[in-house]
Amino acid sequence: GQNIDQPTEMTATEGAIVQINCTYQTSGFNGLFWYQQHAGEAPTFLSYNVLDGLEEKGRFSSFLSRSKGYSYLLLKELQMKDSASYLCAVREAAGNKLTFGGGTRVLVKP
Amino acid sequence: EAQVTQNPRYLITVTGKKLTVTCSQNMNHEYMSWYRQDPGLGLRQIYYSMNVEVTDKGDVPEGYKVSRKEKRNFPLILESPSPNQTSLYFCASSLTWGQPQHFGDGTRLSIL
Repeated sequence: GQNIDQPTEMTATEGAIVQINCTYQTSGFNGLFWYQQHAGEAPTFLSYNVLDGLEEKGRFSSFLSRSKGYSYLLLKELQMKDSASYLCAVREAAGNKLTFGGGTRVLVKP
Repeated sequence: EAQVTQNPRYLITVTGKKLTVTCSQNMNHEYMSWYRQDPGLGLRQIYYSMNVEVTDKGDVPEGYKVSRKEKRNFPLILESPSPNQTSLYFCASSLTWGQPQHFGDGTRLSIL
């Protein structure tokens, strides 16, 4: 089984940087996804990490440390439209399941 | 347009009345999955399918059934719905297992 923890809510100012942490405990790890979900909408894919290190995609970056069971999503130059929930999901090594954390709601203020 | 289509989008029904939520994808994806999303609990996987005629239980399969007779369709069946199945349901698909998933727009079910 898996246990995935994320903060419930974060608030940041437009133009600032926010870091959303995700810690996980799993019997077998085979990759970690980040999804964005605006209120009332479907989740959309942001990033995927399977090896340690930083993956950068424009204003969004994701980092993974497998030895620490830790990932973060970094949102730079925050915009109002970045107000959403951010979901961390871990792929198990055995079996074919994907387990999601509870999600972090980010509120961007002017 | 590449998409995952769920129907219905909203449904209010009563306990015990069988219902089916359909899910169809037009991307020739092998992997399909059903999730439910509840406040404070996040997305939880109900069932998934690696390919046609291959399905398996996720974390919360009780009270649900699925089938995968064709590659594009993956219906979710509630044989005897109960109020604790009131939730927001998402269908998702990906090219293969491990690839990023595309989600449908969701189905909000209320079981009275």
